Amino acid sequence: EVQLVESGGGLVQPGGSLRLTCATSGFTFSYYWMSWVRQAPGKGLEWVANIKQDGSVQFYADSVEGRFTVSRDNGKSSLYLQMNSLRAEDTAVYHCVRYDSGAQSTDYWGQGTLVTVSS
Amino acid sequence: DIQMTQSPFSLSASVGDRVTITCRASQDIRNHLAWYQQKPGKAPQRLIYLASNLQSGVPSRFSGSGSGSEFTLTISSLLPEDFATYYCLQHNSYPVTFGGGTKVEIK
Repeated sequence: EVQLVESGGGLVQPGGSLRLTCATSGFTFSYYWMSWVRQAPGKGLEWVANIKQDGSVQFYADSVEGRFTVSRDNGKSSLYLQMNSLRAEDTAVYHCVRYDSGAQSTDYWGQGTLVTVSS
Repeated sequence: DIQMTQSPFSLSASVGDRVTITCRASQDIRNHLAWYQQKPGKAPQRLIYLASNLQSGVPSRFSGSGSGSEFTLTISSLLPEDFATYYCLQHNSYPVTFGGGTKVEIK
């Protein structure tokens, strides 16, 4: 069974940093592109970042470019999101998502971890 | 960036109704479109990929169609468990973009 479990969310002050972790199991992690997608409270879905299987290529939404860094450890089947210079508008549930290249879309989603940026 | 315009924003329907949701892309995205269903407090679940392919395990009352810039999700006969919010997603080019969502509510 494919599982993606996020952790690391919490309350942080504006300008602060957080590192999210996604622990995966049930599939060969190193075979897949991976994504982070977020959802602000009561709002729609927003793609944040993608990372290639070997970690050599990343793509970011304009809203997080230069502040967030996606990385992965294939040996640990884990995905990470380092978030710096956090803003109130980054408040959201952050989902770790597996990307299905053959279907040009995401397939499995984690339940998410809540990040709240507030003073 | 490719903009995904999803309509309607919300709709009220009864059990047994046929429901249609539309997504329009600001440029040609071929068939690189997926549809998701999200229930409150839950992660989204993929219903359709590559515009018209039914995700394994998803009931056949869900169907998708379209290519290029106009796409449709149809629920042929609404069941109580279908009341949820639906999103389209394009992954033809970066940045990946979602439609704004359609909330399907009980009439």
